[in-house]
Amino acid sequence: GPKVLQIPSHQIIDMGQMVTLNCDPVSNHLYFYWYKQILGQQMEFLVNFYNGKVMEKSKLFKDQFSVERPDGSYFTLKIQPTALEDSAVYFCASSYYRGMSSDYTFGSGTRLLVI
Amino acid sequence: GQQVQQSPSSLVLQEGENAELQCNFSSTATQLQWFYQSPGGSLVSLLSNPSGTKHTGRLTSTTVTKERRSSLHISSSQTTDSGTYLCAIDRGTGSKLSFGKGAKLTVSP
Repeated sequence: GPKVLQIPSHQIIDMGQMVTLNCDPVSNHLYFYWYKQILGQQMEFLVNFYNGKVMEKSKLFKDQFSVERPDGSYFTLKIQPTALEDSAVYFCASSYYRGMSSDYTFGSGTRLLVI
Repeated sequence: GQQVQQSPSSLVLQEGENAELQCNFSSTATQLQWFYQSPGGSLVSLLSNPSGTKHTGRLTSTTVTKERRSSLHISSSQTTDSGTYLCAIDRGTGSKLSFGKGAKLTVSP
């Protein structure tokens, strides 16, 4: 089936540096999401995005985080500056709603290690 | 408090046995989704079942909306079913998914 592509799959970065995580959502999906999962822990919502705007942010979406999707390009999550506690797997997802049903697709995640 | 609670947290089966996973949620949900997370971490949507009973392959989900609970039944388990099963709810178009902590299933040959 259709896939969400995340680039890169792994990233190691020095604390304080900037990182951009890239997501290519399913082509006909309208809603985009970022989730964070620390190893062995629960999947946590960060932010969702529709029609060029953030819909909702969680308390985990710190001021250092930003998202955007310039026309026709990747949906990105930028962290600037990074902190040690940002080490986690970041999952991008997209969805499409048809009446009361929805169709979620998740990417394979970007494993971010801040050192 | 935790919006989505799953039980059991872990389950060990012999191949061929059936598994029953439970999900209870504390707030109203428009959508209830079951996901499979592989040992490698990737996430796959299994079923979207806001109410009633749905089947796909060896999976059956039953959601009783007014009681805020859902179950996932896996019949004739296989070793490849091993992984973590996540229950998640959302509250409408484009809204966030709230996940449970997952149920880790291990199927032995």
